[in-house]
Amino acid sequence: AQSVTQPDIHITVSEGASLELRCNYSYGATPYLFWYVQSPGQGLQLLLKYFSGDTLVQGIKGFEAEFKRSQSSFNLRKPSVHWSDAAEYFCAVGAYYNQGGKLIFGQGTELSVKP
Amino acid sequence: GAVVSQHPSRVICKSGTSVKIECRSLDFQATTMFWYRQFPKQSLMLMATSNEGSKATYEQGVEKDKFLINHASLTLSTLTVTSAHPEDSSFYICQIAGGKETQYFGPGTRLLVL
Repeated sequence: AQSVTQPDIHITVSEGASLELRCNYSYGATPYLFWYVQSPGQGLQLLLKYFSGDTLVQGIKGFEAEFKRSQSSFNLRKPSVHWSDAAEYFCAVGAYYNQGGKLIFGQGTELSVKP
Repeated sequence: GAVVSQHPSRVICKSGTSVKIECRSLDFQATTMFWYRQFPKQSLMLMATSNEGSKATYEQGVEKDKFLINHASLTLSTLTVTSAHPEDSSFYICQIAGGKETQYFGPGTRLLVL
């Protein structure tokens, strides 16, 4: 079955510290992977996406993610966190084969940033 | 990229009434749109796939008679929550599948049923 797991429900980091949010997926074909960020009461903003090619993907706001097929992972990283990064982060896999492109989301990781 | 709008952005209704939520693709013709629901502090869960000119496909556990979906044109899909109850209070988000490399989400509609 297709699924996305974000093991960490809530993470707190200090401003300026590095960040890594974990994401593991289960998908029977080539995965199309996404990271979205959502501020309270707001919609989704795409941070980055991976389809093929270089396994290290650069996104907006200084985020990057690395696709590791052997580990079925697509972890999100940022070298130095800013207070404005506090939000909910969702990892998702795109289901395209016979499913039209719906996204399967992980449970989300809430990021808190302490001064 | 395509711009997707949702209307209304926020709605409060009384229990037992019906609420219609519109999802419009402003510059992209979408044969397929998706509707998600997000309860507070939870993830987005796919409710149904809306197909232009045909019946919607619902995910397991989603009542098709309660959540009516109409995709009458390539730029408009509507979700009607019939006989809404407080447990239907949620954040509803539509998505347009613009192809494998492109996904467009609407800004969401927050529904509160009193």
